[in-house]
Order: sequence, then C-alpha cells, then structure tokens
Amino acid sequence: GENVEQHPSTLSVQEGDSAVIKCTYSDSASNYFPWYKQELGKGPQLIIDIRSNVGEKKDQRIAVTLNKTAKHFSLHITETQPEDSAVYFCAASDNTNAGKSTFGDGTTLTVKP
Amino acid sequence: DAGVIQSPRHEVTEMGQEVTLRCKPISGHNSLFWYRQTMMRGLELLIYFNNNVPIDDSGMPEDRFSAKMPNASFSTLKIQPSEPRDSAVYFCASSWTSPLGEQFFGPGTRLTVL
Repeated sequence: GENVEQHPSTLSVQEGDSAVIKCTYSDSASNYFPWYKQELGKGPQLIIDIRSNVGEKKDQRIAVTLNKTAKHFSLHITETQPEDSAVYFCAASDNTNAGKSTFGDGTTLTVKP
Repeated sequence: DAGVIQSPRHEVTEMGQEVTLRCKPISGHNSLFWYRQTMMRGLELLIYFNNNVPIDDSGMPEDRFSAKMPNASFSTLKIQPSEPRDSAVYFCASSWTSPLGEQFFGPGTRLTVL
C-alpha cells in the first residue's frame, strides 16, 4: 500500500518568513495530493491540492510543487502570519481506492509574532 | 450545504459502556471515512465505505469497534464495551470519488472513557 512520509514534524518561523513542508510517497499510481490544515479543536480542512498532471500550483501565499519522478511534493507558505499556526497534513490518493487518502503524520507550524 | 455533521460533539462515559457516534455526510458524496486522532498515534483511518458498502475495515483496532452505513445519509461507529484507551477525537469525512477530490471532515466527536 501507499506510504507517505512528512517532514518536519514541527516547524517554528518568525512572522513574515516562509515555511516549507515536504512529503514523499511510495506508490507511483498516486495521482492526487491534497494538503489539509487543522486548527485547534477542528477537523482538517483542505487548503490546496495538486494532481499528477501538474507540477506546481499557487493560491495567494500558498503553493504546492510536485516531482513525480522523485515521488515528493512540498507545501510552501510565504509571508507567514500568526493565523497560519496549525497542524498541516499532506496526503496521497489514487483512483482505485474509493477516495481513500494516505495521510502523513502532520507538521505543527508555529508562527511567532 | 451544512457540511459533514457529527453527533455528539462530546461524549464522556464510563469503562464498559456502549458508545455510538453518528455521522451525516454531505449530500451526494459517495464515500465516507471514519478516523481516530490521538496525540500518540496521530490520524488513523479506521474504516471507509463506498456507496454504503464497507471497503476496508483493516484499521478497526478490535472487535469492540463496529461501523454501519444503512443509507447514503447516515453512518454510525459503535464501541462496545468502551475502554479508557479508546479516548480520542473521532472524525467522519465524506467525499466524491469521481472526480477524485478532497475529503470534507466533520467537527469531530471528543470521546472520554473514564
């Protein structure tokens, strides 16, 4: 089955700096890579996703890159703000498992004012 | 749409009691997922359904756990008997499968077993 590894497990940055979270996956059949943000006391919520036919996607301060050859993808947050502090999960899915996603272990991001 | 609805939001029970968690997925979604989240084990997939049929229950920790999806708009996760180590936040999520897309998570049920 699919295995997703996520690094780092914790990340602390100063407000205004950039943050990068990296994930690797093992199954070359995976073709959908969502990123979720989980705030305290809430369920994870999608912030950005990328499909295997695209190498990069950007939405305001958030961007995701995908390297299919190396089987890794990354989340980039620029100009971080205190409200970006949360737990971030990467995930990988393919078309054969009824929408099942394999999640990374999560990264706790702290943005210091 | 109101999103994924879970009830109760909080449950405190005593060891040995039966616990039933409920989930209403987003209308039109055809896959439903039950997760458990703890500090020690992170986010674990317990079981998931597609078109109301259980697809994979390999994440269910023990026979004390069972899940049903009698129709497209309702699912339950039951723990009987409950144990203190079952204390966790339980999330339900739903999604479409065609095209493959995000999972929409409910607010979770925080379960405490004393």
